[in-house]
Amino acid sequence: EAGVAQSPRYKIIEKRQSVAFWCNPISGHATLYWYQQILGQGPKLLIQFQNNGVVDDSQLPKDRFSAERLKGVDSTLKIQPAKLEDSAVYLCASSLGGGLAGGGDTQYFGPGTRLTVL
Amino acid sequence: KNEVEQSPQNLTAQEGEFITINCSYSVGISALHWLQQHPGGGIVSLFMLSSGKKKHGRLIATINIQEKHSSLHITASHPRDSAVYICAVFYGGSQGNLIFGKGTKLSVKP
Repeated sequence: EAGVAQSPRYKIIEKRQSVAFWCNPISGHATLYWYQQILGQGPKLLIQFQNNGVVDDSQLPKDRFSAERLKGVDSTLKIQPAKLEDSAVYLCASSLGGGLAGGGDTQYFGPGTRLTVL
Repeated sequence: KNEVEQSPQNLTAQEGEFITINCSYSVGISALHWLQQHPGGGIVSLFMLSSGKKKHGRLIATINIQEKHSSLHITASHPRDSAVYICAVFYGGSQGNLIFGKGTKLSVKP
């Protein structure tokens, strides 16, 4: 079974430029997550989709970050314009459903995209 | 104060040693994940547990819901176990998400 795919793996841009990341979740997974992991910290959830609808985007800096999952499969995360503090690894994860009652839902992570903003 | 605390932050061990990584959390949860992240790599889910104990190869994970504490043990550690181990708790209802600890960086020397 193919895992979660992300591209690009690495990206270097200058501040104020724009950048986009792509994620292809595991086939059949309804839920897709984007996380930001700054060096030395645990991942922080940016946005969670259930099919093509947004479940939680409370920690997404909406003035510069946007994400979409138009057909409920692939997703893109965009930063426009980028700031120095956006340098991080952006992780995409997917899971089968919205979470089993009382049990959680195993998330499968992609390899991440390492963004460096100069 | 972080809702998920891991200890130690860094751990260096000799090959063959028994290793324990601890995770304490302050929120009510329905499940807890232990994840492994290699340098430059993605995150791999090791365990998801909501009670008791799970074992997979040389890895053992335990959780005490009443004490809000979980431990990850590695028996007969090996240099290839060197990685960051992250504890994440799953909270909320059917649409909940994960709160992550900052991770424990493990280095196993040959």
